[in-house]
Amino acid sequence: EPEVTQTPSHQVTQMGQEVILRCVPISNHLYFYWYRQILGQKVEFLVSFYNNEISEKSEIFDDQFSVERPDGSNFTLKIRSTKLEDSAMYFCASRRQSSRSPLHFGNGTRLTVT
Amino acid sequence: KNEVEQSPQNLTAQEGEFITINCSYSVGISALHWLQQHPGGGIVSLFMLSSGKKKHGRLIATINIQEKHSSLHITASHPRDSAVYICAVSFFSNYQLIWGAGTKLIIKP
Repeated sequence: EPEVTQTPSHQVTQMGQEVILRCVPISNHLYFYWYRQILGQKVEFLVSFYNNEISEKSEIFDDQFSVERPDGSNFTLKIRSTKLEDSAMYFCASRRQSSRSPLHFGNGTRLTVT
Repeated sequence: KNEVEQSPQNLTAQEGEFITINCSYSVGISALHWLQQHPGGGIVSLFMLSSGKKKHGRLIATINIQEKHSSLHITASHPRDSAVYICAVSFFSNYQLIWGAGTKLIIKP
């Protein structure tokens, strides 16, 4: 069964550095998402992406964050200047249609900012 | 603002027991999702439902739209069912999911 893949599984970076988290959604899916989960807290929505543009973003998704689908298969989340509070598990998800199909999640990237 | 509340927060049971996890939400939704988060952190979508009942193996999910309430049941529970079960809701007007805090389930052999 096709799956969403995320790389790396664990990323350690120093405060102020840029990181790029990578995701390969399922190939015939049209809607893409990033979520994050700070340790011990609820999963939080960051951004959704459809038709090569952001369709919705949360208050968390400020100017430090950006997303891109550079080549039709990868979907990336960039954090420009990481802060300690960006340490979290970041999940990529995709779905075929907006509201009528289930979400498929990657296994997540654990980001640790030191 | 929609809130998603789950109960119980933690649940420990013996292998074979029938498990019920509850979820309630405060405003109208387009769909309710039940997800499973493994100890390693990965998330798996179990059900997406907007009415009635769905069954997959030993898992059953029900939703009552009028009462804004959903339940996830596990029959003949097994230690491998131990995980965090999360309820999340989506809306017609936007793309995001609003997540509950999760129910940590431990099934003892």
